[in-house]
Amino acid sequence: LAKTTQPISMDSYEGQEVNITCSHNNIATNDYITWYQQFPSQGPRFIIQGYKTKVTNEVASLFIPADRKSSTLSLPRVSLSDTAVYYCLVARRRDDKIIFGKGTRLHILP
Amino acid sequence: EAGVAQSPRYKIIEKRQSVAFWCNPISGHATLYWYQQILGQGPKLLIQFQNNGVVDDSQLPKDRFSAERLKGVDSTLKIQPAKLEDSAVYLCASSLAQGSYNEQFFGPGTRLTVL
Repeated sequence: LAKTTQPISMDSYEGQEVNITCSHNNIATNDYITWYQQFPSQGPRFIIQGYKTKVTNEVASLFIPADRKSSTLSLPRVSLSDTAVYYCLVARRRDDKIIFGKGTRLHILP
Repeated sequence: EAGVAQSPRYKIIEKRQSVAFWCNPISGHATLYWYQQILGQGPKLLIQFQNNGVVDDSQLPKDRFSAERLKGVDSTLKIQPAKLEDSAVYLCASSLAQGSYNEQFFGPGTRLTVL
């Protein structure tokens, strides 16, 4: 199983760049790394997905080193509305499953 | 584009009672998922449908939980009888196709409280 490990919680301030690192030491060759965001009283929302190097979209960037044993979600210039739980997942190709961990509770302060 | 719809949003029942949740996925999405999310934890997959067939129900407590997806569109999840530990948010999600790398779109969930 490609279990993921990420910080339980993080605090940051408005306007700062936030980086959340996730480790997935047992990731398999064909697995993808996926991040979801969940606001209170809502279902999770897909943020970004990548396989290697760097992926960027309008919301975030995802950095994946060559060994793929970790990844970093980067949120540029956060605002109060970025306060949420962020889940790092490995999308397993072997059995087509994703497994949510406890995620990282990000709290943005004014 | 309409998102995943779920109802009811909230439900309070007493233990040993029955309850049912309804989900309407995004139009055209072949794959439908039901998750259970206990407070402070990430969602746990209960069952996955591909069209109207079950792909994975390995974590569904089949002695009390059942789910169906008639005609490959709407789905219902039922608990009978409910236990205190079933108190959780039940999330429905859908994706365009089967495959772990496909983006899942989640509904707002149904918050169940079992007294």
